[in-house]
Amino acid sequence: EAEVAQSPRYKITEKSQAVAFWCDPISGHATLYWYRQILGQGPELLVQFQDESVVDDSQLPKDRFSAERLKGVDSTLKIQPAELGDSAMYLCASSPRVPSRVSPQYFGPGTRLTVL
Amino acid sequence: GENVEQHPSTLSVQEGDSAVIKCTYSDSASNYFPWYKQELGKRPQLIIDIRSNVGEKKDQRIAVTLNKTAKHFSLHITETQPEDSAVYFCAASEDTGRRALTFGSGTRLQVQP
Repeated sequence: EAEVAQSPRYKITEKSQAVAFWCDPISGHATLYWYRQILGQGPELLVQFQDESVVDDSQLPKDRFSAERLKGVDSTLKIQPAELGDSAMYLCASSPRVPSRVSPQYFGPGTRLTVL
Repeated sequence: GENVEQHPSTLSVQEGDSAVIKCTYSDSASNYFPWYKQELGKRPQLIIDIRSNVGEKKDQRIAVTLNKTAKHFSLHITETQPEDSAVYFCAASEDTGRRALTFGSGTRLQVQP
């Protein structure tokens, strides 16, 4: 069964350093999402891609976060510089393209970031 | 934007009992409502979803009900088993494919053997 892949699974960094996370969605899935999940809370959307285009990045802190999906397949989320409050689980999800209808999102295992 | 509230935050039941988790949403444009189960250290997994053209959907021991007038939906788990212990998240979105999910804050379900 195809799954969303993410790496690394765990990342420890010091504040002010740069970090990057990678996501490979399920093959053929057009839509890719990056969520942040703080311990004890539900996931919150950071950015949504449709193919290589950003659909929604209204909740992405653009002064320090950036995301790209250059060829419309895999994606990278970057934080520079990292702050203590960025410690969280970063989840990637993907969903297939279904015209005019939402389709289920499938999540990757996440990257747990700890900023010291 | 959409706001989803979920209750209770923790729920403890005896094995074999039923468990009910409730969510309310604010945006009347929302009409897709999935539920995810997240075990400790693992990815959220979709367990059931419902669209607003139906009021109830069942899958074995799991059922979801939707009341669009009151803007609330619920997850029902019958004959609970220890392996049902996990955190459950409800979510909502428009059924257009152009919106991501807005999640509730989660319910930690513990099934006591």
